[in-house]
Amino acid sequence: KAGVTQTPRYLIKTRGQQVTLSCSPISGHRSVSWYQQTPGQGLQFLFEYFSETQRNKGNFPGRFSGRQFSNSRSEMNVSTLELGDSALYLCASSLQGFQETQYFGPGTRLLVL
Amino acid sequence: GNSVTQMEGPVTLSEEAFLTINCTYTATGYPSLFWYVQYPGEGLQLLLKATKADDKGSNKGFEATYRKETTSFHLEKGSVQVSDSAVYFCALSDQGAGGTSYGKLTFGQGTILTVHP
Repeated sequence: KAGVTQTPRYLIKTRGQQVTLSCSPISGHRSVSWYQQTPGQGLQFLFEYFSETQRNKGNFPGRFSGRQFSNSRSEMNVSTLELGDSALYLCASSLQGFQETQYFGPGTRLLVL
Repeated sequence: GNSVTQMEGPVTLSEEAFLTINCTYTATGYPSLFWYVQYPGEGLQLLLKATKADDKGSNKGFEATYRKETTSFHLEKGSVQVSDSAVYFCALSDQGAGGTSYGKLTFGQGTILTVHP
């Protein structure tokens, strides 16, 4: 079974721009979660989608948004980029998204200049 | 709220040494507990998990036992190898009311392990 894939793997943007990251979950998984990983804050939960609905959200500003499509693929968008948004963004999928193992993709490394 | 605390690193060991990485947690319900490992330039891989008290998770020589009385899930390995060098994360998934736990893992800060030949 193919694993979780994320595109692109690397991105360089400038402040004020917006960016869209993509995640394809493992086939059959309906829950997709997004995390931000930084050296200072560690791994922080952004949000989770299940059947095209956002069910849970972390403590991030409204500049961070996402969506999920009918095939469970998910995108996250960051608008008006700030230097502090530089991070590794990880996507994870699971069957139902409740107390289950999450399977992670390789991440998208975003650098904001 | 939920939280996970891992022992501070980095941890440096010689090959074949015994490894312990401490992990304690705070949770409102009955969480599932996980250890994930991250190799350089990669995402997180599940190492092992336990879903209820006294469960022992094990994989690739690593073990951890879910201790509800001490709210701990310490990772151990009897004999580490150079290839075990990575960052290790302890995490929990809680039951939480009102949908606050859907799809959410709460992670510790990570412990960098370096194993020398």
